[in-house]
Amino acid sequence: EDQVTQSPEALRLQEGESSSLNCSYTVSGLRGLFWYRQDPGKGPEFLFTLYSAGEEKEKERLKATLTKKESFLHITAPKPEDSATYLCAVQPFRFSGNTGKLIFGQGTTLQVKP
Amino acid sequence: DAGVIQSPRHEVTEMGQEVTLRCKPISGHNSLFWYRQTMMRGLELLIYFNNNVPIDDSGMPEDRFSAKMPNASFSTLKIQPSEPRDSAVYFCASGRPGGRQETQYFGPGTRLLVL
Repeated sequence: EDQVTQSPEALRLQEGESSSLNCSYTVSGLRGLFWYRQDPGKGPEFLFTLYSAGEEKEKERLKATLTKKESFLHITAPKPEDSATYLCAVQPFRFSGNTGKLIFGQGTTLQVKP
Repeated sequence: DAGVIQSPRHEVTEMGQEVTLRCKPISGHNSLFWYRQTMMRGLELLIYFNNNVPIDDSGMPEDRFSAKMPNASFSTLKIQPSEPRDSAVYFCASGRPGGRQETQYFGPGTRLLVL
């Protein structure tokens, strides 16, 4: 069964304190791994797509990496405005055709204190 | 670009009533997705359309739920009759074609409360 597990569930950081969020996945074949950011009361906002092990993507203070079994979202010197829930999702590969289905983890809620 | 538009943003209804949620995808996107988000189950895909045709509805919980996409710029998700356990945030997302992978862009959601 395809599955995505994110850890920790919640993370509190001081401004400037770097850390990493983990996304472990079990999938028969991976088309892509996605990271989204979700602010309270809003829809998820796309951050990154990773396709293959070893790939890295960066955006401002965020860097996403991918291995064959997990992805990390590294946050360098975070600011209070980085506070949000970060969601990881995988799209499984299907020989029968791409259904577009994303399987989401439960998310990590990040709070950055000034 | 206005992004994905959903209406209403909030809906409060009584058990047994019909609820219709609406979505306008981003212009030029050919895929549309309906998701439901709850604290217990997280974000779950309900149904996926490609070029207005339903492709995967395996996530639709039961016959009380139905979705349509009559044209490329409009989709509805209907619940009839509604039940308290349907209370959740419902998101619509549309997909940008091309490239190695299709990225899904989410709307602001409809917060549904069934009393």
